[in-house]
Order: sequence, then structure tokens, then C-alpha cells
Amino acid sequence: DAGVTQSPTHLIKTRGQQVTLRCSPKSGHDTVSWYQQALGQGPQFIFQYYEEEERQRGNFPDRFSGHQFPNYSSELNVNALLLGDSALYLCASSLWTNGYTFGSGTRLTVV
Amino acid sequence: QQQVKQSPQSLIVQKGGISIINCAYENTAFDYFPWYQQFPGKGPALLIAIRPDVSEKKEGRFTISFNKSAKQFSLHIMDSQPGDSATYFCAASKGTSGSRLTFGEGTQLTVNP
Repeated sequence: DAGVTQSPTHLIKTRGQQVTLRCSPKSGHDTVSWYQQALGQGPQFIFQYYEEEERQRGNFPDRFSGHQFPNYSSELNVNALLLGDSALYLCASSLWTNGYTFGSGTRLTVV
Repeated sequence: QQQVKQSPQSLIVQKGGISIINCAYENTAFDYFPWYQQFPGKGPALLIAIRPDVSEKKEGRFTISFNKSAKQFSLHIMDSQPGDSATYFCAASKGTSGSRLTFGEGTQLTVNP
């Protein structure tokens, strides 16, 4: 049973660059949410996609953008990377009335 | 703006003991309160969840106690085992369980053999 799949698992980028992270939801799930987890902290909600539209957004700048494809997979894009963007980025999928299933995340390091 | 506060930050318990982690929330619109367990290198996994219409929910060794008037809820792990050593997060959301979650800061639990 394939859960939530995220790629890549690790990534190192230089400040100012752009990055794209990818997520394949659990089979049967139609909603994808993205969270940022800084070291030693709880995950922070970035945004949620449903039916290819951004449905909810957390307190993140416009440098953070996303997309959901017809097969429910999703991408998270971050432009003009800052050192403070270094974190574990978690993708979670769900059906609207059911709880989340989280992926193992992408560890992004900005140098 | 921290809407869910979690304590303690870290907790060390002996095998067989009881682990207790507490959370307090501010937003009275929250109506879904899950607890997540996270191992190093993994994403959070749902452990147990409660809605405010009940004061307690038990699943195996894990119990959530909920105090709506105090806006507090806690996780109790009975007969703690070394395999329970992980980081635990409380969270809250409003509406369905698929809504955005607001997480606490986490508690790193170590269960000594």
C-alpha cells in the first residue's frame, strides 16, 4: 500500500535559487497539504490544494507557491531561497473528511 | 502567533512508567484535537484524536484527556516502552479532520529500559 511519496528526500540549494518539491498522495486521497518543519519545531501549515485549486493558505510569503495536477499529485515551489527556508518540507494527503497521512518529507538545506 | 502550546519540551520516563504531555489552545473554534508521533527521518503519524464532545478517549496504552472549559488536552502513555521514544506533537483544527492543522512545539520523549 503506497502511502504519501515525496521527492527528493534531500536537497541542497544556494541562497537565491529556486526549488521544486514533489508529492504523490496516498491512493484514494484527493487533497494535498504542505507543511514546513524547522528543526526542533512543530510543522507549520503552508497551503492546501483540492481540485487543483489552493483552498487554504498559511502565513507564508508569495515566494512559496504550489500546484496540484489532475492525478492529485502536487508540487511546492520556493523562489529566491533564504537561509531560513532550510527545513523539512512535509506533504500530507487526505480526503476532506478524513485525517492526514504524512510523507517522510524533503530535507531542504539552503547554503 | 502560537495558538497551541505544548509542554514539556522533553520528557524522560522509565520503562513501564506513565508519560504525560500537555497542550493548551487559544482558539475556541478548534474542534478536532489529534496527537501525532514522529520518529527521526519520518513524517508525523496520527496516534489518537478527540473531539470536544467527549472528555476522554482511550486506544490501547494511549489516552487523551480533554478539558473544554480550560482549553487544555493531554496525552497519557501507560506502560511506556523504549519503542515509544519519539517526538510527540499535539495539534488542533476546526471543521473536518482534513482541515489545516495548528501544531504544538513538540515533546521529545525518551523511555529508558
